[in-house]
Amino acid sequence: SQQGEEDPQALSIQEGENATMNCSYKTSINNLQWYRQNSGRGLVHLILIRSNEREKHSGRLRVTLDTSKKSSSLLITASRAADTASYFCATDAKSDYKLSFGAGTTVTVRA
Amino acid sequence: EAQVTQNPRYLITVTGKKLTVTCSQNMNHEYMSWYRQDPGLGLRQIYYSMNVEVTDKGDVPEGYKVSRKEKRNFPLILESPSPNQTSLYFCASSLSSPRGEKLFFGSGTQLSVL
Repeated sequence: SQQGEEDPQALSIQEGENATMNCSYKTSINNLQWYRQNSGRGLVHLILIRSNEREKHSGRLRVTLDTSKKSSSLLITASRAADTASYFCATDAKSDYKLSFGAGTTVTVRA
Repeated sequence: EAQVTQNPRYLITVTGKKLTVTCSQNMNHEYMSWYRQDPGLGLRQIYYSMNVEVTDKGDVPEGYKVSRKEKRNFPLILESPSPNQTSLYFCASSLSSPRGEKLFFGSGTQLSVL
């Protein structure tokens, strides 16, 4: 079953602006991950945040996790055209060994 | 180069004609998995394998088979493909269970069943 749901479904921003997308999930998790997919290609891992962490940074990426609200956000700062892609959150539930993905947020960065 | 290799990249077939999509990883990963991606539905897990000879169903296993005879290979078999299996398929692997481990993805196989 689909565990995570991203919001919004699509996002269009100007180069240099920040992009924020959210992920909500239903059951208790061990970890939450974010992935990027460029136009029908394989997904690429961006960042992993554990359930006992609240915030994590990696370059221009900032991820937050609120386990009480069962939600996470991904912030991309100073966006570039190369950030145009779909972004997916993935959760691994405490109850099994599956990694469940949401439907993704499609981000378009306009030059 | 560390990678997950899927073949073929594109495949067009007809209903009922058995096919196999191959997946191989060169990272000595224990965990391997197959996903299908459909518009608006994200990635849904078909089967996964925790190690050699250990496989388990994901969320949408109907109509698919897998085997894990060797650590590096995890083929996806469609014994009698149907049009509703037209989709983009991804193989992925991780060092161990995906709990706390990132997945490495193949480039995908676009399958069309006519």
